[in-house]
Amino acid sequence: QITLKESGPTLVKPTQTLTLTCTFSGFSLSTSGVGVGWIRQPPGKALEWLALIYWDDDKRYSPSLKSRLTITKDTSKNQVVLTMTNMDPVDTATYYCAHTPQWLGASRYYFDYWGQGTLVTVSS
Amino acid sequence: QSALTQPASVSGSPGQSITISCTGTSSDVGSYNLVSWYQQHPGKAPKLMIYEGSKRPSGVSNRFSGSKSGNTASLTISGLQAEDEADYYCCSYAGSSSYVFGTGTKVTVL
Repeated sequence: QITLKESGPTLVKPTQTLTLTCTFSGFSLSTSGVGVGWIRQPPGKALEWLALIYWDDDKRYSPSLKSRLTITKDTSKNQVVLTMTNMDPVDTATYYCAHTPQWLGASRYYFDYWGQGTLVTVSS
Repeated sequence: QSALTQPASVSGSPGQSITISCTGTSSDVGSYNLVSWYQQHPGKAPKLMIYEGSKRPSGVSNRFSGSKSGNTASLTISGLQAEDEADYYCCSYAGSSSYVFGTGTKVTVL
């Protein structure tokens, strides 16, 4: 059974760097084709894709946020970490991590398992 | 990479069918048959309902179906039930392992 859980600060100040950790179980991020992504959702607003990291350490970022994001993985700990620099109140959102599956070693392009999300508020 | 366009709201009576559209561009929806749909109840994480345009994950009711024509994907819910009342989001692969989500649609069961 695949599960993911996000953790990190609930409150950050403007200009600070946010670091979020996704701890997962039920799969290995060393399995060919597997990926873990981050998606956020401001209160009352739509989902927004942020970043994704694959089993082979290939990293992809939203073009609009690329300069502020870094995604890394620790396969031995079953964790994926997202950092976002220069936080602003508009970055207040629930941040989700999600699993992207593989089939016969090839990546599939959808999010089949999601964490419960963690609300991050940016305020001084 | 702009958000895919969905109607803000769609409503229907129990037992009816409704369709939610998701309009993108030739760079995302139109180029790939890789649209997925997610259901989100208030305060909950999104749940995958449709992937790769028209495929249903195990456990998802066959009342949910997906299709695509040109730059527009659609999600149809047939035999509408009270439990289907939720927000729905489409998501398309947009090349180079990037993704774009839709603006979201609130489904109301009258």
